[in-house]
Amino acid sequence: TQLLEQSPQFLSIQEGENLTVYCNSSSVFSSLQWYRQEPGEGPVLLVTVVTGGEVKKLKRLTFQFGDARKDSSLHITAAQPGDTGLYLCAAGAVSGNTGKLIFGQGTTLQVKP
Amino acid sequence: EAEVAQSPRYKITEKSQAVAFWCDPISGHATLYWYRQILGQGPELLVQFQDESVVDDSQLPKDRFSAERLKGVDSTLKIQPAELGDSAMYLCASSHGTGGSGYTFGSGTRLTVV
Repeated sequence: TQLLEQSPQFLSIQEGENLTVYCNSSSVFSSLQWYRQEPGEGPVLLVTVVTGGEVKKLKRLTFQFGDARKDSSLHITAAQPGDTGLYLCAAGAVSGNTGKLIFGQGTTLQVKP
Repeated sequence: EAEVAQSPRYKITEKSQAVAFWCDPISGHATLYWYRQILGQGPELLVQFQDESVVDDSQLPKDRFSAERLKGVDSTLKIQPAELGDSAMYLCASSHGTGGSGYTFGSGTRLTVV
């Protein structure tokens, strides 16, 4: 069974701190996506990474795709209360219905003022 | 900016009752997905449509759940009868192709079965 494991599951930090969220799997992916979800809303796509070793930046967020395309990380610099939410990584299934996305269990981030 | 529309936003129903959710994807998106998300967990695929055809419903509990997309545009997901364990967020998403470049999700329907 293809699994995406995220760590940590929960993170509570003070405003201004830095943090990193990890997404790991034993499978090789053609691409990987990160979403952010606020309570009571649907996930919103943040970024798609495609190339092994790729690094993408979105303001204070830095996304990296592992060289072997099996893992990814999300780093937030100087976290703000507005960053609070559930962060999900997702990747296309590697067998069977390759058109569907498999999601990790998510990392719940709370940034306290 | 184009959005995926879902209704209702919230639904409370008694167990054994029927409930239905509606989704209108982004215009021109051929692929439509229904996901279920338990609180604090990642979404899990229930059913995937390509136009009006079901591509994958392997995780859909077919004894009580049904989904249709009759004209290849909007879609309805139905549960009959609802059970307590069905309480969750039901998310609809659409994509132009098969989602390699990402999905656009709706705001979801929060279902509570009492």
